[in-house]
Amino acid sequence: EAGVTQSPTHLIKTRGQQATLRCSPISGHTSVYWYQQALGLGLQFLLWYDEGEERNRGNFPPRFSGRQFPNYSSELNVNALELEDSALYLCASSLWRQETQYFGPGTRLLVL
Amino acid sequence: EDQVTQSPEALRLQEGESSSLNCSYTVSGLRGLFWYRQDPGKGPEFLFTLYSAGEEKEKERLKATLTKKESFLHITAPKPEDSATYLCAVQAVQGAQKLVFGQGTRLTINP
Repeated sequence: EAGVTQSPTHLIKTRGQQATLRCSPISGHTSVYWYQQALGLGLQFLLWYDEGEERNRGNFPPRFSGRQFPNYSSELNVNALELEDSALYLCASSLWRQETQYFGPGTRLLVL
Repeated sequence: EDQVTQSPEALRLQEGESSSLNCSYTVSGLRGLFWYRQDPGKGPEFLFTLYSAGEEKEKERLKATLTKKESFLHITAPKPEDSATYLCAVQAVQGAQKLVFGQGTRLTINP
């Protein structure tokens, strides 16, 4: 069974640009989560999508946004990139509102 | 505010030398406590979910236990391939699915 997949694996952008990261959940999983893992800061919760709607948001500015598509895949958009947005962005999925979340390999975003 | 503190930050063991990692937490109603393993540059790999005090789960050389204030990850006779960062996270009943992570314990097993 395929796990959570994310694309691209690496992304290099410059300050002020926009980044789009993609995630496909495990088959049968309908809840998708996004986390940021910046150096020295640990994993921080970003967003939760369920049934196509944003259900919860972490302590991040509005330039971090996303959506969930009818096939349950998801997209994270980061606008007006800043240097401190450089991090590993992790997507996770779970069965509908179940506790255990399974993570993908991540997208490494570097902002220059 | 929900918080997770892991100790030690780093641990170096010899192959076969058993030890324990600690995860202390404060949460407003525990829905679940989770252990993950993360290799450098990769996503966290799920290990265990614990729900209530007294619960224990095992997988190969790993055993996780839970009390009302902390969880331990016991590693018995570790091998070099057990080297990784071990992450602990909690989810609150009122937390709307959010996982709150500790900073992790970086474990190195020397052959």
